[in-house]
Amino acid sequence: GEDVEQSLFLSVREGDSSVINCTYTDSSSTYLYWYKQEPGAGLQLLTYIFSNMDMKQDQRLTVLLNKKDKHLSLRIADTQTGDSAIYFCAEVRGGKLIFGQGTELSVKP
Amino acid sequence: KAGVTQTPRYLIKTRGQQVTLSCSPISGHRSVSWYQQTPGQGLQFLFEYFSETQRNKGNFPGRFSGRQFSNSRSEMNVSTLELGDSALYLCASSLTFTYEQYFGPGTRLTVT
Repeated sequence: GEDVEQSLFLSVREGDSSVINCTYTDSSSTYLYWYKQEPGAGLQLLTYIFSNMDMKQDQRLTVLLNKKDKHLSLRIADTQTGDSAIYFCAEVRGGKLIFGQGTELSVKP
Repeated sequence: KAGVTQTPRYLIKTRGQQVTLSCSPISGHRSVSWYQQTPGQGLQFLFEYFSETQRNKGNFPGRFSGRQFSNSRSEMNVSTLELGDSALYLCASSLTFTYEQYFGPGTRLTVT
């Protein structure tokens, strides 16, 4: 399809792992990004992965990339209430950054 | 290092008016991109400037325009405002477009 797809909602308990999934569209995308948006704020760059990588780990964050299926995931270990936000994946397509619709992560104590 | 700044943060305008929003990128960043965020359409790319030249443009009417100055600061202008232009307008800067983009806090525009 034409759109970057994400599930809309995810609810987890504090201390659990969260996995947010994304399906992108352009197999030639060289960079894929994860952004976080808290209420009333702009987007915060969390991490990114180059298309020649399968995995990238950055503290509590792990990004997995399956190029064959054009699937990207973000795993947050030991999820905290402060991780509650909307998470966007994005790809570079045609010189533009194309975002998914965002996954709202709710962390319950 | 100071982040991306956007002014004003909030704006209320009337239909038919025009508005200018400003964005100051991170020092040393030469690429500035603009996005519109609405509940219905999500995040949509408006345009990107690099070294004062528009390199890319999204699917928005000609009422939306922008420019970039020699110090990399950028402005976007919306003329003849419509109710549907109410949105959060986000600016992002990067060294070049393909590298990581850093976003400002946005300007919340309300058109009444």
